[in-house]
Amino acid sequence: SYELTQPLSVSVALGQTARITCGGNNIGSKNVHWYQQKPGQAPVLVIYRDSNRPSGIPERFSGSNSGNTATLTISRAQAGDEADYYCQVWDSSTDVVFGGGTKLTVL
Amino acid sequence: QVQLQESGPGLVKPSQTLSLTCTVSGGSISSGSYYWSWIRQPAGKGLEWIGRIYTSGSTNYNPSLKSRVTISVDTSKNQFSLKLSSVTAADTAVYYCARLLLYYDIWYFDLWGRGTLVTVSS
Repeated sequence: SYELTQPLSVSVALGQTARITCGGNNIGSKNVHWYQQKPGQAPVLVIYRDSNRPSGIPERFSGSNSGNTATLTISRAQAGDEADYYCQVWDSSTDVVFGGGTKLTVL
Repeated sequence: QVQLQESGPGLVKPSQTLSLTCTVSGGSISSGSYYWSWIRQPAGKGLEWIGRIYTSGSTNYNPSLKSRVTISVDTSKNQFSLKLSSVTAADTAVYYCARLLLYYDIWYFDLWGRGTLVTVSS
């Protein structure tokens, strides 16, 4: 079965750039999607198909995907960006797969 | 603006069947290249995909839950439902319904309900 690996936590200073990784075997050949989940709330799609932002998502959020690692980048991090972030792909053998999630702390 | 809302009992006894319904408002459940899905999240843990359904009734389930899961759709009521049988405490979680967009062979969740907590306890 296909697995996605995320760091448990990432910290970033206010105003700096946060990078959250999502590792998987040849993940660069797949389409990766990212969700933001704030405490007590439902997940929200922030990046789809590797690097596309839904309407309403700030340009500070961007994504990339190559080789065995996909990355969600949050520029000029704000206190309001503190949340759990999940990557997700579809795999032909495993179907929908989520990463374990990364807790982003803005210092 | 399409919205999803989960409903159902918040407490289920062990060995019984968990039943939840998701009501789609602001749009038709039959429109577009959308599938409809259930996802759950135990407290303090990550997201687990349960399964999906198309309005034709076609379903796909997470293999780890397949033997206990049934997802159905009622287009006349703009609803889809989840049944999970033989529940244990390990099934205690927040259950989300979500809209799953299919773009060629690309699947992602573009809309989520607020979620509902289901506790399995006697």
